[in-house]
Formats: sequence, structure tokens, C-alpha cells
Amino acid sequence: SQKIEQNSEALNIQEGKTATLTCNYTNYSPAYLQWYRQDPGRGPVFLLLIRENEKEKRKERLKVTFDTTLKQSLFHITASQPADSATYLCALNTDKLIFGTGTRLQVFP
Amino acid sequence: GAGVSQSPSNKVTEKGKDVELRCDPISGHTALYWYRQSLGQGLEFLIYFQGNSAPDKSGLPSDRFSAERTGGSVSTLTIQRTQQEDSAVYLCASSLWTGGESTQYFGPGTRLTVL
Repeated sequence: SQKIEQNSEALNIQEGKTATLTCNYTNYSPAYLQWYRQDPGRGPVFLLLIRENEKEKRKERLKVTFDTTLKQSLFHITASQPADSATYLCALNTDKLIFGTGTRLQVFP
Repeated sequence: GAGVSQSPSNKVTEKGKDVELRCDPISGHTALYWYRQSLGQGLEFLIYFQGNSAPDKSGLPSDRFSAERTGGSVSTLTIQRTQQEDSAVYLCASSLWTGGESTQYFGPGTRLTVL
């Protein structure tokens, strides 16, 4: 069956460190992969999109990699801040957008 | 400009009652999606509309759920004979189109509680 897996365990890191979140998928061949941020009580907000022919995409302190051989995307936040604490969702473009379950990131001072 | 809006923000209902949830997408967005998110869970796709095409209803969990989109804009998600397991946050999103590089813009959601 088709699956998108994100680490269901919360990721706790210290302020200033780099946070790395993982998104693995099976039985998909997406042309695009997206990352969203969701804060409690709010809808997800789009962060970054990466194409299958792109190895890496950056935006300010965010970096996304996309390995279509490993069927994996990594999402990095450098110099993390407490304000980065949220749930991060990956999503694959097929005929519609399919979301993973998300990983909760907690950055503590 | 205005984002996606949803109403009501909270809805408490009794088991067996029908409820209607409303979504106003961003003007000009041709695609509209409904998702359900249970506490601590990911987004469960329900249905999407793209322009004048027939909607993709593949995610609707039962025939108690239905949705319509009038005039290519506002959408209403209806749940008939609500059950306690229907309690969740219902999120609506819109995008310029489906597939490709389209990104979704989400509303704040409607929190449904079925007593």
C-alpha cells in the first residue's frame, strides 16, 4: 500500500542547534514534495516545494533535500529558535496532495 | 488579500443531528479540498473539487458525508446523522489548480464535537 511516514515521536532540540525531520514514502513516484508547518489550532502553512530533479532547496534557515532513490526527504532548520516549535508535515503531489502524519518539533531555550 | 475562511469555528452537536460546515476559498482558486484531522493525527483527505470537473470523493468515509461547491466558489461539507467518531477538526484548503506545483492554502478549520 502507499504510505508516507514521518517520525511520530516528537523531536526535542536545544535552541541554536539544527533540527532534522524525515519523510519517507513507499509506492509513490511524486514529481514534487512539499513541506508545511502547522501550529496548534491552525491550518497548515506552506513552507517549501522541491521538484524530483532538485536535490536540495533552501529558504532562509530552511533546507529540504529530496532523494527519489531512497524515497526520502529531509527537512532541516538551522539555528533553531523556540518560535520554530510546531508540527511539520510533508506532502506528496500525486493526482492530489497526500500528507504525512507530521512530526512535532519542540525547541527549548 | 483575504485567505481561506471557514465557519463556524466551533460546532457542538448531538449524536444523530446533521451539520453543515462552510468554506470560502481564496478568490480565483479553482481547486478546493476538505480534510479531517483527529486529535494528534495527520490530515485525512476527504474530497476535492477542481473547476467544473466531477469531484474526487474517494476520501469520504461514509455516505453520511457529502459536499458541494456552488458557483465554483463556496463549498459546504454536510455530515448527516453525526456520530461521536465524527468529532475532529475539519480543514478546508484551496489552490490555484491541482497537481503539479500547486500549493494549498488552508483555512483555520472547524472544530466539530459530537456529544
